[in-house]
Amino acid sequence: AQKITQTQPGMFVQEKEAVTLDCTYDTSDPSYGLFWYKQPSSGEMIFLIYQGSYDQQNATEGRYSLNFQKARKSANLVISASQLGDSAMYFCAMTNLGQNFVFGPGTRLSVLP
Amino acid sequence: GAVVSQHPSRVICKSGTSVKIECRSLDFQATTMFWYRQFPKQSLMLMATSNEGSKATYEQGVEKDKFLINHASLTLSTLTVTSAHPEDSSFYICSANKGLAGVEDTQYFGPGTRLTVL
Repeated sequence: AQKITQTQPGMFVQEKEAVTLDCTYDTSDPSYGLFWYKQPSSGEMIFLIYQGSYDQQNATEGRYSLNFQKARKSANLVISASQLGDSAMYFCAMTNLGQNFVFGPGTRLSVLP
Repeated sequence: GAVVSQHPSRVICKSGTSVKIECRSLDFQATTMFWYRQFPKQSLMLMATSNEGSKATYEQGVEKDKFLINHASLTLSTLTVTSAHPEDSSFYICSANKGLAGVEDTQYFGPGTRLTVL
């Protein structure tokens, strides 16, 4: 069975600093996808970044990058130059093609001015 | 892009009434749509998966007669909470994907519906 672990229930970061949100996963499938979503207080789930299990390079999307360490089964999200608008819940998720998403418990990020 | 709309965004109803929530994929055809429920400060809990033209697949513990799902077309799925009770009050979120591999397997979420049953 697939499982996602996010060990940080809450994180604080100073504006303009970088922050890493941890995510570890467990699966026996060789092919899978890893996703990060942002959920602001409005409730909408916003897709941030995707990493495929066979991707050779770490995914990047603007200020977001994914530190993918396959052997350690970790897929940490790095947000560079934090902004006040980055304050939100962040969920790590994974899926295998044709199977449902599995979400982690989430990390609440608070960006301090 | 991949935009998913959800309507209504907020609904308050009396106990015993039924509430219908619509989920639409606006700019793509969604092979599969998903319905989630989220309690405060918790992660998303998958309720059911629906495919166009077939019966929804419900997760264990989710009452199919309580939460009716209809996936009438490749762009529309509806969730009806029948005979709603206060314990059904929650945030309901739908998502849709294109049913393709890799990054195209991304689920795109609607803005959610906050249901309050009095």
